[in-house]
Amino acid sequence: GQNIDQPTEMTATEGAIVQINCTYQTSGFNGLFWYQQHAGEAPTFLSYNVLDGLEEKGRFSSFLSRSKGYSYLLLKELQMKDSASYLCAVRDNYGQNFVFGPGTRLSVLP
Amino acid sequence: GAVVSQHPSRVICKSGTSVKIECRSLDFQATTMFWYRQFPKKSLMLMATSNEGSKATYEQGVEKDKFLINHASLTLSTLTVTSAHPEDSSFYICSASARSSYNEQFFGPGTRLTVL
Repeated sequence: GQNIDQPTEMTATEGAIVQINCTYQTSGFNGLFWYQQHAGEAPTFLSYNVLDGLEEKGRFSSFLSRSKGYSYLLLKELQMKDSASYLCAVRDNYGQNFVFGPGTRLSVLP
Repeated sequence: GAVVSQHPSRVICKSGTSVKIECRSLDFQATTMFWYRQFPKKSLMLMATSNEGSKATYEQGVEKDKFLINHASLTLSTLTVTSAHPEDSSFYICSASARSSYNEQFFGPGTRLTVL
């Protein structure tokens, strides 16, 4: 079966660093994606990992450990506009199907 | 960048009517399009995957006779919610991918459907 877990909600302070974890158990694996979604809007792509290690893109970094079925998204220098839901998604095998996690609602406080 | 549009952005309809939602890739050819449903404060649930010119593949539990999907061209897919009922009220999002951008799905802005 397919199962992806994320914390439901997180709160952090403006300027701080926050790490959002994602664990997965899927029948296949061909990449893990992180998306940001503001309320009432469509998701926007943040990062993609297919090999173990850290991918850095500006204030956002994403880490993957395939052996542990684990990823995290790291957000640095938090801004108020970072308040959103963050979705972890796994692409199964070599198909195009994505399985999305439940999402983590991040609230950034002043 | 790749842009995907959806129309309409919002629709309110009476119970029993059918609603068609269009998803277009504006500046690329979408070999595959996906339709998702999202309930408030919940994650995206994949409903079906469609490849241009072939029948859609529906996820388990999704009624294909109720949610009709047509992917007639490389830039257009439509989702028709037939005989809509209040429980069909939801946020419907499409996404598209192309062979040249295998690693990404590009999401449309979503359609908010409210069935009275």
